[in-house]
Amino acid sequence: GAGVSQSPSNKVTEKGKDVELRCDPISGHTALYWYRQSLGQGLEFLIYFQGNSAPDKSGLPSDRFSAERTGGSVSTLTIQRTQQEDSAVYLCASSLGIGVPTYNEQFFGPGTRLTVL
Amino acid sequence: SQQGEEDPQALSIQEGENATMNCSYKTSINNLQWYRQNSGRGLVHLILIRSNEREKHSGRLRVTLDTSKKSSSLLITASRAADTASYFCATDEGEETSGSRLTFGEGTQLTVNP
Repeated sequence: GAGVSQSPSNKVTEKGKDVELRCDPISGHTALYWYRQSLGQGLEFLIYFQGNSAPDKSGLPSDRFSAERTGGSVSTLTIQRTQQEDSAVYLCASSLGIGVPTYNEQFFGPGTRLTVL
Repeated sequence: SQQGEEDPQALSIQEGENATMNCSYKTSINNLQWYRQNSGRGLVHLILIRSNEREKHSGRLRVTLDTSKKSSSLLITASRAADTASYFCATDEGEETSGSRLTFGEGTQLTVNP
C-alpha cells in the first residue's frame, strides 16, 4: 500500500481481556517497529523486527505484551490480560532497513487508540 | 527514560514569526530526526541530520546539530497556522545501514495563531 496501515483505529476493552493490534507496513520495508504513546507524552519503544533476525524485544513493558511478524510483512501486537495503564496510542512504523543507506527514516501508521476500562 | 529532551514544552507564536525548538540528548548517535504529529496520531518525518552534518535545510525548515553539546534545533521560518502541531526529536544510535529503534523526546507543542 501507499503507507503504513493499522487496525483497528480505536479499541475499547475491559480490564483483563486480551487485545490484538495489527500493522501492515509499507511493501518492501524490512524493518518494523512498535511504539506506545501515552496521553501528552513522547513515544516509548516497544519492539523492533528486522528481516528474519530475532526481534529486539527490550522495550516490552511486561510479559503480557508480545508481537509477531508473519512472512516478514504484517505484524500483530498482542496484549494479554489488559490493565488500565495499558491505555495509550500504539503506533507502528516501518523503514527500508538493513543494507540500505536509508539512515533509518521511519514511516508511521495512524495508530490504534486503546482504552482499557 | 527518554534520551531526547525538547524545550520549550510549549510554544505559542503569531503567524509569520519564526519558531525555534531545541532538543538535547545524552549518548552518541548515528543521526537525529525531527517528526511532526497532529492531533496525537501518526507521526510525519520532517528531516534527518546525520552525525557528521551540522546544518540542513528543507523548505521552511532548518535543522542544526551540535554533537559536542549533544543538541539540535529545529527552526520553522515564516510560520503558518497549519504548522500547529507537536514536534518531536528522535535519536538513532544504530548502525548507518540498518534500521534501529528511535528514542523520542517528550515533544514541543507549537501553536501558531492566525
